[in-house]
Amino acid sequence: SQQGEEDPQALSIQEGENATMNCSYKTSINNLQWYRQNSGRGLVHLILIRSNEREKHSGRLRVTLDTSKKSSSLLITASRAADTASYFCATVSTSGSRLTFGEGTQLTVNP
Amino acid sequence: DVKVTQSSRYLVKRTGEKVFLECVQDMDHENMFWYRQDPGLGLRLIYFSYDVKMKEKGDIPEGYSVSREKKERFSLILESASTNQTSMYLCASSFSWVAQSNEQFFGPGTRLTVL
Repeated sequence: SQQGEEDPQALSIQEGENATMNCSYKTSINNLQWYRQNSGRGLVHLILIRSNEREKHSGRLRVTLDTSKKSSSLLITASRAADTASYFCATVSTSGSRLTFGEGTQLTVNP
Repeated sequence: DVKVTQSSRYLVKRTGEKVFLECVQDMDHENMFWYRQDPGLGLRLIYFSYDVKMKEKGDIPEGYSVSREKKERFSLILESASTNQTSMYLCASSFSWVAQSNEQFFGPGTRLTVL
């Protein structure tokens, strides 16, 4: 079964707006990662946040982690049409080293 | 830049055929993975390998086997392809678990259709 569940499944916004995607998971984690996938392509790693971190930034990306609620959010600020893609969260549990992926959020940024 | 390449972007095979999907990485990564991706099911791990000649079953290994004879190459084998194996297949690699980052680098994917 999937460890991470993204919410919403699909999100459509206008260029310049912010996009927020959420991820919930079930078991204790070592770290949580976000990946991006353009249509028909492989996944690209965006950012990793460790279980002892609460917030992390990378360019226009901001990731938060709340281990008490077993949830994470990915914020993309000032979105661009080129941000249109599917975004996946993936977790590494404390008991293992595999990545377990959620089903993803499809983000569409309209020009 | 890390590069993970897959032998084909698109592949069409017939039911019962033996299918080989090849994956090569150029970053000297210890770990390599094979996933399949289906609408509504996300990415599911088929097999992974943490060293040459080592392999571990993932969540859905049935109907598949793998081979890792060299560190840079990880092959996925469908012994007798079936229509329910029509899917997007993604290969990935990463440094060893000791590195603790677990960031995976993905290939472009192979879209396999079994008729």
